[in-house]
Amino acid sequence: AQSVTQPDIHITVSEGASLELRCNYSYGATPYLFWYVQSPGQGLQLLLKYFSGDTLVQGIKGFEAEFKRSQSSFNLRKPSVHWSDAAEYFCAVGNTGGFKTIFGAGTRLFVKA
Amino acid sequence: DGGITQSPKYLFRKEGQNVTLSCEQNLNHDAMYWYRQDPGQGLRLIYYSQIVNDFQKGDIAEGYSVSREKKESFPLTVTSAQKNPTAFYLCASKPGSDTQYFGPGTRLTVL
Repeated sequence: AQSVTQPDIHITVSEGASLELRCNYSYGATPYLFWYVQSPGQGLQLLLKYFSGDTLVQGIKGFEAEFKRSQSSFNLRKPSVHWSDAAEYFCAVGNTGGFKTIFGAGTRLFVKA
Repeated sequence: DGGITQSPKYLFRKEGQNVTLSCEQNLNHDAMYWYRQDPGQGLRLIYYSQIVNDFQKGDIAEGYSVSREKKESFPLTVTSAQKNPTAFYLCASKPGSDTQYFGPGTRLTVL
């Protein structure tokens, strides 16, 4: 069955510290992978996506993610977190020609001063 | 300025009433989607439409209905058959197999 797992329901990091949010997927075909961010009461905004090519992808707001096929993972990273990064983050997977995207349950990020 | 609009932002409904949530996009995307979001459950797909006059049920379609008479519009009706309709509803659109773009959402509360 196709699925996306975000093992951490919430994470707290200090401002200026590095961040890694985990994402594991189960998908039979070649996956398209996405990370979205959602501020409270708002829609989702795309941070970055991986379709093919270089497995390390750069996104907006200083985020990056690395696709590791052998581990079925697509973890999101940021070297230095800012207070404005506090939000909920969703990992998602789709496929070529597919119309459905499967979302993980999300990881809520708290940033402490 | 292209994008997806959802209205209203907040909606209140009495039990037993149907209510329709609006979703409009001017991105010329073929596919449109409705998701429901509850705390700790991520996004669950209600309905999606790949082209005008065609739509498919998602994972939680019971108690909901949609129409797709125009490419730009994909309204969602929450019927009285939906037992627990209080939630945050998100509309999205997508060009082919690329990225989904989301609207700002509508928060529905049943009184």
